[in-house]
Amino acid sequence: KAGVTQTPRYLIKTRGQQVTLSCSPISGHRSVSWYQQTPGQGLQFLFEYFSETQRNKGNFPGRFSGRQFSNSRSEMNVSTLELGDSALYLCASRPSDRDSSGANVLTFGAGSRLTVL
Amino acid sequence: QKEVEQDPGPLSVPEGAIVSLNCTYSNSAFQYFMWYRQYSRKGPELLMYTYSSGNKEDGRFTAQVDKSSKYISLFIRDSQPSDSATYLCATLDRGSTLGRLYFGRGTQLTVWP
Repeated sequence: KAGVTQTPRYLIKTRGQQVTLSCSPISGHRSVSWYQQTPGQGLQFLFEYFSETQRNKGNFPGRFSGRQFSNSRSEMNVSTLELGDSALYLCASRPSDRDSSGANVLTFGAGSRLTVL
Repeated sequence: QKEVEQDPGPLSVPEGAIVSLNCTYSNSAFQYFMWYRQYSRKGPELLMYTYSSGNKEDGRFTAQVDKSSKYISLFIRDSQPSDSATYLCATLDRGSTLGRLYFGRGTQLTVWP
């Protein structure tokens, strides 16, 4: 079974540009979450989608947005990039929305490493 | 104050040592507890998942939760060089959506042969 796939794996942008990152969840998983990982702050929650609806949003500015498609694939977008947006962006998926058992814990992809110059 | 505090280390131990990794959390609503392991250039992978206070064992790994003191631990017995990674504790608020985890900053562990 394929894992969570994120593309691109690495990218370099300059300040002011925008970027779109893509995530394909594990087949059959309907919930997708996005996290930002930096050395200073660790992993911070960005947002969570289930059945194309945003279920929760972290404390990030409006420059950070996301969406989920009917096939559960998800994208996140960062507009007007700042130097501080340099980070590893991680996507994670899980099978369902309500099951809080250990079978429904997040499985992470390898991440997209964004460098803003 | 971060919801979950974790000593970032780094921690360096010889092969065969017992490793103890610890986190504290502030919110008594946190009800589910996880340990993830992250190798360099990889995403976090789930190691252990626990719900109640007490111990849970899986091979060389033991997760321990003490809800009264809001303290979670991971013990690694007979540590191996392949255990060298960053270990992240995470919790889940029973009142929040299930995709929102609160992570510690991670402890970097090196096991030398």
